[in-house]
Amino acid sequence: RKEVEQDPGPFNVPEGATVAFNCTYSNSASQSFFWYRQDCRKEPKLLMSVYSSGNEDGRFTAQLNRASQYISLLIRDSKLSDSATYLCAVSVRAGGFKTIFGAGTRLFVKA
Amino acid sequence: NAGVTQTPKFRVLKTGQSMTLLCAQDMNHEYMYWYRQDPGMGLRLIHYSVGEGTTAKGEVPDGYNVSRLKKQNFLLGLESAAPSQTSVYFCASSYLEADDRSFMMNTEAFFGQGTRLTVV
Repeated sequence: RKEVEQDPGPFNVPEGATVAFNCTYSNSASQSFFWYRQDCRKEPKLLMSVYSSGNEDGRFTAQLNRASQYISLLIRDSKLSDSATYLCAVSVRAGGFKTIFGAGTRLFVKA
Repeated sequence: NAGVTQTPKFRVLKTGQSMTLLCAQDMNHEYMYWYRQDPGMGLRLIHYSVGEGTTAKGEVPDGYNVSRLKKQNFLLGLESAAPSQTSVYFCASSYLEADDRSFMMNTEAFFGQGTRLTVV
């Protein structure tokens, strides 16, 4: 079982829709949590860090549930430009830290 | 400030050849990582380093070696390339910062632009 698992996708949604991504992690030593966006053939770029209290950045909301070991990302009012792959990442304490990524979920937003 | 730079950007190798991928960061980050990305697999951690002179195995270390002789550089070596090592390789770096309870936490990873490696 992978340490970090995501919804397999792809998600196909119309413009304006709300879409939610979920990610579970198995290692209880996980300390930091992130959502990245990756465009085709590009490097991943940080979308937002995920804090225990939950956090929001415009149309994007991230939540962390430590008890159930999952994180989520909600995108409201989807835009065509939101089409990308969304990766969750978890930084695990392991003699220092290592950062593990999920397999990613592809999002297609259509007009 | 160039961030994280990977060299080369593209490479084609024949089976059995060796090569070294170079990752350089100018942000004075303690942590550096090598990942590979294959279709549908996300990023898989090959090896990582928590500081100069240290390395550790990640999720898929077999067939790769690494070295971190200088803080700013993290080298990934393929001693005898195989077609299964055809992939896109990403290097990343990060650092530690204190949270609101003064616990040291790992920051987000800063990525290089990737190296597309094909082994024929």
